[in-house]
Amino acid sequence: DTAVSQTPKYLVTQMGNDKSIKCEQNLGHDTMYWYKQDSKKFLKIMFSYNNKELIINETVPNRFSPKSPDKAHLNLHINSLELGDSAVYFCASSQGNRAYEQYFGPGTRLTVT
Amino acid sequence: AQKITQTQPGMFVQEKEAVTLDCTYDTSDPSYGLFWYKQPSSGEMIFLIYQGSYDQQNATEGRYSLNFQKARKSANLVISASQLGDSAMYFCAMREGNNRLAFGKGNQVVVIP
Repeated sequence: DTAVSQTPKYLVTQMGNDKSIKCEQNLGHDTMYWYKQDSKKFLKIMFSYNNKELIINETVPNRFSPKSPDKAHLNLHINSLELGDSAVYFCASSQGNRAYEQYFGPGTRLTVT
Repeated sequence: AQKITQTQPGMFVQEKEAVTLDCTYDTSDPSYGLFWYKQPSSGEMIFLIYQGSYDQQNATEGRYSLNFQKARKSANLVISASQLGDSAMYFCAMREGNNRLAFGKGNQVVVIP
């Protein structure tokens, strides 16, 4: 049983395109996150949603737009993709006051050519 | 300013020996949490251990223990009796009172038989 799933696992696309990455968790958690891990393995939080409400929005270009249709889903839409967007994107979830114990998805490797 | 510092180069450790991974942090928030994640070559992020800033005792989880020295602002991870499956990147991270999360750049560990 997959706890946090992401689709697709790999995404190769050209500059200027618009793409979406989907994330779903079946853990009943109320908080979900998106992280970006660059080529140097540095992991940085992008967004966090709690009960469908945006609570963390780091300095991310507004080409990135998260959407949370319900507590179990947090999708990431990226407009006008750029070369620098190439990275691995991780979705994660946690429950309320146990925000330190986040369960991560398998990651989506995005390559922009 | 970087809040989590992991400066050790890649480490080789003999199977069955212990290894210590250094982590220092910087925060002015009196309430914070420190945790470690493991990222094997397959890419997923695995939660290992958590230490709250007010916890009196050092956290332990199986072969993992966290050497928390509050005055020095360090939270080193100790892995005892290393196994081949411990080969991975290890990330130290901190949660501050506003639930923002910051990750270090990671330590690469390779366990050799």
